[in-house]
Amino acid sequence: GAGVSQTPSNKVTEKGKYVELRCDPISGHTALYWYRQSLGQGPEFLIYFQGTGAADDSGLPNDRFFAVRPEGSVSTLKIQRTERGDSAVYLCASSQSPAGELFFGEGSRLTVL
Amino acid sequence: GEDVEQSLFLSVREGDSSVINCTYTDSSSTYLYWYKQEPGAGLQLLTYIFSNMDMKQDQRLTVLLNKKDKHLSLRIADTQTGDSAIYFCAERGGRRALTFGSGTRLQVQP
Repeated sequence: GAGVSQTPSNKVTEKGKYVELRCDPISGHTALYWYRQSLGQGPEFLIYFQGTGAADDSGLPNDRFFAVRPEGSVSTLKIQRTERGDSAVYLCASSQSPAGELFFGEGSRLTVL
Repeated sequence: GEDVEQSLFLSVREGDSSVINCTYTDSSSTYLYWYKQEPGAGLQLLTYIFSNMDMKQDQRLTVLLNKKDKHLSLRIADTQTGDSAIYFCAERGGRRALTFGSGTRLQVQP
């Protein structure tokens, strides 16, 4: 596609459930980033992939959060045992190279009841 | 660690200039960015400046960088109602990922 695509755009789940959020980056972009944006805040870094490997996962808040990018393209952010505090918009971005401009998707809004 | 701070809100009249300010702490920052976010939309890159520059102009946008004071500003000339949005300052330092401020909401009054 022309831009970064994220699905679902909205997800409502119950506390304790498992959630997967998908990001389809711009074709050919080797770098992929996940951010979380809570209401009234700026995007907070979670994890960065270069190719298939996680080059920096220092932003993942705890071990309930995990992300994969098995073929170096699509990435999935996985959240186990969701908590109400996980409610936020999860943003994905990709760039052509590690130092290149980041292109953001429109985000997946997660609501944990 | 890295930290980026911005004022929360700015209100201007249509046709006036807007100046949005940002401070950062990472002395190894190489690039500094300004992003725009409109309601329900993704982040849009407006402009960026390399750390060895002190000014960059792009049409109605002027970015000023004071590296000594770690201060970045975005000036929007002839502000229009369509400029109403949240503006985020971000820096890229030793880590490849960007660190964002909490955003400045710009309200343009007709």
